[in-house]
Amino acid sequence: DVQLQESGPDLVKPSQSLSLTCTVTGYSITSGYSWHWIRQFPGNKLEWMGYIHYSGSTNYNPSLKSRISITRDTSKNQFFLQLNSVTTEDTATYYCAGGPYGSSAWFAYWGQGTLVTVSA
Amino acid sequence: DIVLTQSPASLAVSLGQRATISCRASESVDSYGNSFMHWYQQKPGQPPKLLIYRASNLESGIPARFSGSGSRTDFTLTINPVEADDVATYYCQQSNEDPYTFGGGTKLEIK
Repeated sequence: DVQLQESGPDLVKPSQSLSLTCTVTGYSITSGYSWHWIRQFPGNKLEWMGYIHYSGSTNYNPSLKSRISITRDTSKNQFFLQLNSVTTEDTATYYCAGGPYGSSAWFAYWGQGTLVTVSA
Repeated sequence: DIVLTQSPASLAVSLGQRATISCRASESVDSYGNSFMHWYQQKPGQPPKLLIYRASNLESGIPARFSGSGSRTDFTLTINPVEADDVATYYCQQSNEDPYTFGGGTKLEIK
């Protein structure tokens, strides 16, 4: 049974970096699938942010390309989100998710989500 | 980016009746003979849950009351019959073109 769990600070100051961890259990992130970050804004709009493929390659939403980085630690079966220069508009619930890649990128597995508030 | 427009924004359906939710894409999401449109259910305080992938394929463990249809730019999620547990917001999502995008959601209530 594939399970994902997000962790990280729930409050970040404007202009700082947001860093989150997704811990995956029940499946090795190097065995297959792509591993995504998705966020949901207040008001419920969903935005796909980017993924790290099981091979280690990454792909990001162009709207975030200059600020986002997704990396991984294969020894801990974790992957990470870093979003730089945050503003209050980055306040959202952040989800990690996993599933097939490429055109078949539907999100079969989800974490419970973590609410991150950007505020001074 | 491909824009997905869902309608209606909300609907109220009686128990045992049919609910139909539409998702229209700003351009075709079909490639290689497949339609890369997927559907999710989200209940308050929970993450989205995959219901349907590639337009009409039922995810494992999802009741057969849920079905999906459509191609190119027009897609439908049908719930028949509606049960009390189906109260939720439903989202479509496309993966034919990067960046992957979601519809704005349809909130289902019981009449």
